[in-house]
Amino acid sequence: GAGVSQTPSNKVTEKGKYVELRCDPISGHTALYWYRQSLGQGPEFLIYFQGTGAADDSGLPNDRFFAVRPEGSVSTLKIQRTERGDSAVYLCASSSQAGTTYNEQFFGPGTRLTVL
Amino acid sequence: TQLLEQSPQFLSIQEGENLTVYCNSSSVFSSLQWYRQEPGEGPVLLVTVVTGGEVKKLKRLTFQFGDARKDSSLHITAAQPGDTGLYLCAPLTRGAGSYQLTFGKGTKLSVIP
Repeated sequence: GAGVSQTPSNKVTEKGKYVELRCDPISGHTALYWYRQSLGQGPEFLIYFQGTGAADDSGLPNDRFFAVRPEGSVSTLKIQRTERGDSAVYLCASSSQAGTTYNEQFFGPGTRLTVL
Repeated sequence: TQLLEQSPQFLSIQEGENLTVYCNSSSVFSSLQWYRQEPGEGPVLLVTVVTGGEVKKLKRLTFQFGDARKDSSLHITAAQPGDTGLYLCAPLTRGAGSYQLTFGKGTKLSVIP
């Protein structure tokens, strides 16, 4: 069975450019999470989707970051006017259900973003 | 804001040795998870501990949740090169509409053959 996939695996961009990172969750998983992992750190929560809506975006660092999940499956994390400090591995995770009970999150391999 | 500390930050040992890594906080957690992450991969769940004092075993790995549910430890017996990786602890906290994972910085373990 397919796990969570993320594309591209690596992205190199220049300061000030716009980037999009894609996440394909496990089929049927309604909950989707984005995390950012900087060098030497653990993953840091960015945003959580339940279905098509962003139920919790409290982890987004500023308004340059935005994520969508228009059909409740694939999600795209968008970063405008990239800065060198945005360089990190961006991880996506999905789970079968959220809300009042916790279900295991399955992580993708991440997209390594490098901003020059 | 909870402070989560993992120690040691780095650990390099010989194959066959035993080791313990720690996850400490001043906050009380309802539950806590341990993950292992290998280079180029996402974290993979190893265990969830819920009850204070709980001990769970996964082959050569033994996980313990502190009585006060503020700390946890992971003990590996007879470490193997395949145990190499980043070990992350992550308490579960209730966010807006979901449970959130708050990861520590992790312990980077290298097991030398």
